[in-house]
Amino acid sequence: GESVGLHLPTLSVQEGDNSIINCAYSNSASDYFIWYKQESGKGPQFIIDIRSNMDKRQGQRVTVLLNKTVKHLSLQIAATQPGDSAVYFCAESPSGGSYIPTFGRGTSLIVHP
Amino acid sequence: GAVVSQHPSRVICKSGTSVKIECRSLDFQATTMFWYRQFPKQSLMLMATSNEGSKATYEQGVEKDKFLINHASLTLSTLTVTSAHPEDSSFYICSAKGGVNEQFFGPGTRLTVL
Repeated sequence: GESVGLHLPTLSVQEGDNSIINCAYSNSASDYFIWYKQESGKGPQFIIDIRSNMDKRQGQRVTVLLNKTVKHLSLQIAATQPGDSAVYFCAESPSGGSYIPTFGRGTSLIVHP
Repeated sequence: GAVVSQHPSRVICKSGTSVKIECRSLDFQATTMFWYRQFPKQSLMLMATSNEGSKATYEQGVEKDKFLINHASLTLSTLTVTSAHPEDSSFYICSAKGGVNEQFFGPGTRLTVL
């Protein structure tokens, strides 16, 4: 099947700045997308999700943007805090109801106080 | 939210031994659970989908005789790494499917094979 990359880029920001984490997905059949946060030595935590019939969804301090034309997903974190430091993964799931998400490349977010 | 636990959280074993990892959904029933493997600084790779009362579905390249999965009840799935070797050392994470598009992750199990 289509795959996602395994590299782990790093984003360093100052506390209080806004962070933008990007993800490129490859499966054009995907219609459901999720962002997860994973702290060191722990399992992933759900942050926010979006369906392909939307291009933007907002949560508390987080916004997900979806651009289906270029198969791009982004996670925006407002007023980033040290507690936001973690690895962030996007995941995609195809249509059809099977919901078996494929995890994308993670991004390590480092927030400097 | 729903809680998924894993046991043990860490295990160190000698090469050639077998290790069993448990995944439990604590406050909901999960007919489907997933097992992932994660190497340092890498993404989660799906190993298999575990369905209660039936055989697990393994992803391509995952040896079913090496990684035995049993989903005997609606709240418990187990992964047994048989005849473990150092290359099996990894972070193993399970998740349980809740609603239609809900997936709740366990805290992971760190396996170190000496």
